Amino acid sequence: KQEVTQIPAALSVPEGENLVLNCSFTDSAIYNLQWFRQDPGKGLTSLLLIQSSQREQTSGRLNASLDKSSGRSTLYIAASQPGDSATYLCAVPPGSSNTGKLIFGQGTTLQVKP
Amino acid sequence: EAGVVQSPRYKIIEKKQPVAFWCNPISGHNTLYWYRQNLGQGPELLIRYENEEAVDDSQLPKDRFSAERLKGVDSTLKIQPAELGDSAVYLCASSSLGQTITYNEQFFGPGTRLTVL
Repeated sequence: KQEVTQIPAALSVPEGENLVLNCSFTDSAIYNLQWFRQDPGKGLTSLLLIQSSQREQTSGRLNASLDKSSGRSTLYIAASQPGDSATYLCAVPPGSSNTGKLIFGQGTTLQVKP
Repeated sequence: EAGVVQSPRYKIIEKKQPVAFWCNPISGHNTLYWYRQNLGQGPELLIRYENEEAVDDSQLPKDRFSAERLKGVDSTLKIQPAELGDSAVYLCASSSLGQTITYNEQFFGPGTRLTVL
């Protein structure tokens, strides 16, 4: 059974710092991995999607990497800003097929202080 | 392009009362998902539709929960009767699974926050 763990659960950093959020999953035979952002009281916004054949994806100040063999992904945020404050969730399918189902981690709540 | 629309945004009811949530997915998306998100947790899938067919409802508590997507577009999720433990955020998402073989990106609505007293 696929399980997803995110560490740390919460993180507080001063503005301008570079930071790394971690995600691990137990079944490495995944189809892809997605990182989402969730603002308080809001739905989820897709940030990056990495396919199983890829090692990383970049969007602006965000870079997500994927190491399937070790069951890990990291989300790197460069030059953090107060507007980056949110909960970040990673999610993977339960197996190697593209069924659409996603298993989510508990999320990392990030606070960037001005 | 409009995103996934959900209503109501908030609902407060007493236990044993019925409640219904509505979702309108992104136009053209054939796959629709209902998730439940408890406080401090990630979302958990309740049911997934491909067009009008429920293809994965293994996590749906069928004794009190029901869902429908009659014309393959809008969907409703119902709880009857509601229990205290049903308090959560109910999220709807949609995607165009099947129209791309490389990935399935899900787009989420703002959710309905349910409080059962």
